[in-house]
Amino acid sequence: NAGVTQTPKFQVLKTGQSMTLQCAQDMNHEYMSWYRQDPGMGLRLIHYSVGAGITDQGEVPNGYNVSRSTTEDFPLRLLSAAPSQTSVYFCASRPFDGAGDRQPQHFGDGTRLSIL
Amino acid sequence: AQKITQTQPGMFVQEKEAVTLDCTYDTSDPSYGLFWYKQPSSGEMIFLIYQGSYDQQNATEGRYSLNFQKARKSANLVISASQLGDSAMYFCAMREASGGGADGLTFGKGTHLIIQP
Repeated sequence: NAGVTQTPKFQVLKTGQSMTLQCAQDMNHEYMSWYRQDPGMGLRLIHYSVGAGITDQGEVPNGYNVSRSTTEDFPLRLLSAAPSQTSVYFCASRPFDGAGDRQPQHFGDGTRLSIL
Repeated sequence: AQKITQTQPGMFVQEKEAVTLDCTYDTSDPSYGLFWYKQPSSGEMIFLIYQGSYDQQNATEGRYSLNFQKARKSANLVISASQLGDSAMYFCAMREASGGGADGLTFGKGTHLIIQP
């Protein structure tokens, strides 16, 4: 059981370049999210999805796009990379459990991204 | 105002001692959940324990327990009999039910715990 898989693990970009961070989960989870983690900070929510075809913005969405065409995949796109987007990016998923909503998020191992 | 506050940026603890990591939160939502995650130096996020706002008892998971004081809006993590492998960053996080369909956790800035032999 692979869980949440993120690729690549490391990436260096030049300012203005675009790229897509991949995220896939094999647990049939409805909810998926992207976070970024900066030094001295906790994780901050970028975008999330509550199911295929449904996405919405989190706390820090500017400069990022997402789409969710399948349950399994939730890619994060940087359209024009900026040095301020240098960070560690985590993808997470969790199942929808009805009224209880007690399910924790399962995280991928992260992508370390540097923008020069 | 910060929704999750962790006031201890770093802690040094002797092996085998108990550890309490502080977390206070701010919400007007009567329905919410509190989570603790561990992040070792290798970087992955490991779920430790969950406490729901309506839970009558404090949550426990093995050596981890949660000291939940709802009126004080605090949810401190207690690690009993600490081990060298407990050295890591620890994050407190909250999910509020009133997000209108929003998902995702709000995290504190974390506490860096170092267990000394």
